[in-house]
Amino acid sequence: TQLLEQSPQFLSIQEGENLTVYCNSSSVFSSLQWYRQEPGEGPVLLVTVVTGGEVKKLKRLTFQFGDARKDSSLHITAAQPGDTGLYLCAGAPGGTSYGKLTFGQGTILTVHP
Amino acid sequence: DAGVIQSPRHEVTEMGQEVTLRCKPISGHNSLFWYRQTMMRGLELLIYFNNNVPIDDSGMPEDRFSAKMPNASFSTLKIQPSEPRDSAVYFCASSLSRVQETQYFGPGTRLLVL
Repeated sequence: TQLLEQSPQFLSIQEGENLTVYCNSSSVFSSLQWYRQEPGEGPVLLVTVVTGGEVKKLKRLTFQFGDARKDSSLHITAAQPGDTGLYLCAGAPGGTSYGKLTFGQGTILTVHP
Repeated sequence: DAGVIQSPRHEVTEMGQEVTLRCKPISGHNSLFWYRQTMMRGLELLIYFNNNVPIDDSGMPEDRFSAKMPNASFSTLKIQPSEPRDSAVYFCASSLSRVQETQYFGPGTRLLVL
């Protein structure tokens, strides 16, 4: 069973601060996805990283896939209250298990104005 | 374009009752996934279908849970009999294909078993 550990579990910061969320595993993934979930809604895909070492930017969000494709990070610059939510990483094992995502426990981010 | 549709959005029932959750995937999507989310265990995959066929049901907790996909536009997740520990938010998601890994989630059904 592939496991994904996310840290920190909770993050409470002031508007304008920077933050990083980590997603780690001992297993290799064919790709890794980051989702954001707001209360009362389902997760929404933010980005998919596929290549080891890949870096993707989405406005103030920067996503990185580890060289060995076992870990990933999400960095938010100058956080805003609108960034508040649950951030989930999810790994795809590939091969015959394609599509069977393993989710991390999530990071609850609160950005105070 | 309509997203994944789930019903009901909220369900309150008593222990021992049968519960049926419904999902309509995005039109044209070939894969459908049922997840359960709790504070303790996070988001867990229960079962997924590809072209209406169950591919992996290893996440289904026990025999009280069953899922069907009679056609490409409809799936159900049934719990019989329900227990208080089944209380959770149940999500349905669909994707274009197993190879296309982007999953689109519905709004979820919040289930409370008393």
